[in-house]
Amino acid sequence: GDSVTQMEGPVTLSEEAFLTINCTYTATGYPSLFWYVQYPGEGLQLLLKATKADDKGSNKGFEATYRKETTSFHLEKGSVQVSDSAVYFCALSGGGADGLTFGKGTHLIIQP
Amino acid sequence: DAGVIQSPRHEVTEMGQEVTLRCKPISGHNSLFWYRQTMMRGLELLIYFNNNVPIDDSGMPEDRFSAKMPNASFSTLKIQPSEPRDSAVYFCASSLWGGYTFGSGTRLTVV
Repeated sequence: GDSVTQMEGPVTLSEEAFLTINCTYTATGYPSLFWYVQYPGEGLQLLLKATKADDKGSNKGFEATYRKETTSFHLEKGSVQVSDSAVYFCALSGGGADGLTFGKGTHLIIQP
Repeated sequence: DAGVIQSPRHEVTEMGQEVTLRCKPISGHNSLFWYRQTMMRGLELLIYFNNNVPIDDSGMPEDRFSAKMPNASFSTLKIQPSEPRDSAVYFCASSLWGGYTFGSGTRLTVV
């Protein structure tokens, strides 16, 4: 079945550091890929998505490129802020109306 | 649009009691999903509906769990009887054409 693997956390960075959170997936067909963010005590918010190979999703300074050859969708940001501290989830959808498969989540902590 | 609305936000109940979680999806969305989030298992899909019809409930952990969607604007997830290991955050999400929106979740504590 489909699966998503994320790097384990927590990831602790200083403000203005470069961020990479790795995500790889296993899926049949051509899934859509997503990054969701969860702030403490809140639900999941869509951060960005990509629906086909080589697409780049971007939002709020975050970017991720759909790499079919490496089955990856790594999240990057050039300069993180304290307000980026949250849990980040990589997810995929098989293309039908069958829901999202999530990774375990990566807890990001940004120190001032 | 008010988004996906879940109630209650928090629920504390005693073991053995019945618990009902509620969800109002975004108007016009034709798919609805129930997820459970725990530290140990992360986010798990419990069940999903398309056009109010349950499609896949293979993620429902036990017969103690049941879900209904009597109409396009309302769904419930019921646990009867509840157990301490059911303690988790339960999320509802709705979708149209692959765009998923999540509610704020219900934090369930069974003591």
